[in-house]
Amino acid sequence: DVVMTQSPLSLPVTLGQPASISCRSSQSLLHGDGNTFLNWFQQRPGQSPRRLIYKVSNRESGVPDRFSGSGSGTDFTLKISRVEAEDVGVYYCMQGTHWPWTFGQGTNVDIK
Amino acid sequence: EVQLVESGGGLAQPGGSLRLSCAASGFTFSKTWMTWIRQAPGKGLEWVATLSQDGSNEYLVDSVKGRFTITRDNAKSSLYLQMDSLRVDDTAVYYCAGGQGALWGQGTQVIVSS
Repeated sequence: DVVMTQSPLSLPVTLGQPASISCRSSQSLLHGDGNTFLNWFQQRPGQSPRRLIYKVSNRESGVPDRFSGSGSGTDFTLKISRVEAEDVGVYYCMQGTHWPWTFGQGTNVDIK
Repeated sequence: EVQLVESGGGLAQPGGSLRLSCAASGFTFSKTWMTWIRQAPGKGLEWVATLSQDGSNEYLVDSVKGRFTITRDNAKSSLYLQMDSLRVDDTAVYYCAGGQGALWGQGTQVIVSS
């Protein structure tokens, strides 16, 4: 199975400051069809998860543009350009290139 | 409105069975791969199963193979998860999701306990 490793696992941030979460996979996520199926999810306290980013860098409709995704191969990053209070929650990366699909452990983002 | 609504969760004994349902609306269900993802209490997300649009391709995490079955009824825009031989470690909130998580339901709680 592909192991997804996120860092850090806990990220205290200052409002208005940037934040970055790393996600590394144990093997390349480049699919044979040329796509890289790396997704980012946000789970606010008490809510269902919500997808922010798909295929590395594509923002879902309605996701603020302060969220961005980048990376390739085995190394990926989610960046928040300026953290707002509503961004508090747990963030997960998930690979959908190889079966079984696998998630990272989650990164807990809270306000300092 | 695009929506997924799960139902069927509850309390089951070890070795027992439950059948989860997911009712979809607001999008073309028959053209969408569908997925079950679970979250144990206080833990992270775990992919459980995915089914192709016509039901011909089924993928399951190893820990549920032989015990869980994922099916769908495109005429009813519904997804199902038949869970047999339940174990204590199947206790979780079970989410229905579209594809690779483009859309999520509110989840249904499954508790396996004697």
